Amino acid sequence: EVQLVESGGGLVQPGGSLRLSCAASGFSFSNYYMHWVRQVPGKGLMWVSRINSDGSGTTYADSVKGRFTISRDNAKNTLYLQMNSLRVEDTAVYYCAAMAIPGPRWGPGTLVTVSS
Amino acid sequence: DIVMTQSPDSLSVSLGERATINCKSSQSVLSSSNNQNALAWYQQKPGQPPKVLMYWASTRESGVPDRFSGSGSGTDFTLTISSLQAEDVAVYYCQQYYTTPLSFGGGTKVEIK
Repeated sequence: EVQLVESGGGLVQPGGSLRLSCAASGFSFSNYYMHWVRQVPGKGLMWVSRINSDGSGTTYADSVKGRFTISRDNAKNTLYLQMNSLRVEDTAVYYCAAMAIPGPRWGPGTLVTVSS
Repeated sequence: DIVMTQSPDSLSVSLGERATINCKSSQSVLSSSNNQNALAWYQQKPGQPPKVLMYWASTRESGVPDRFSGSGSGTDFTLTISSLQAEDVAVYYCQQYYTTPLSFGGGTKVEIK
């Protein structure tokens, strides 16, 4: 069974940093592009970042470019999102996701709250 | 970037009646690699993550009741709930995974009339 489980969320002050992790199992993690998607509670879904299967290529939404870094460790079947210079507007549930396994697969999410 | 436009924003349907949600993409999401449309539908209830209902536009996820069906191709897609049940009250989203950035419709809130 495909499983994705996020961790690392919590309360952080504006300007602070947080590192999210996503543990993957049940599929060949190293063969798939991985994504982070976020959702402000009560609002819609927004794509944040993508990394290719070997980690050599990344892309970001404009709103997080230069502040967030996506990475992966294929030996550990784990995806990461390093979030720096956090803003109040980054408050959201963060999901890791993979597409086409054969359909989309998502984790349960981890809540990040940026507040003073 | 591909823009996904969902309609209506909300829908009120009697129990047992049909509910239809539309989704339009700003460009084709037809994958040349397998000739299928990279379009998924999700159901989300309060406090829960999105649940995959359909992928490749019309493939039902394992365990999803057959009252849910997806159709369409190219840029126009539809999610149909053939006989609305109380447990179907939720927000529904469409999403294209043809290209990055992934993009989502704004959501359709389905309620019981």
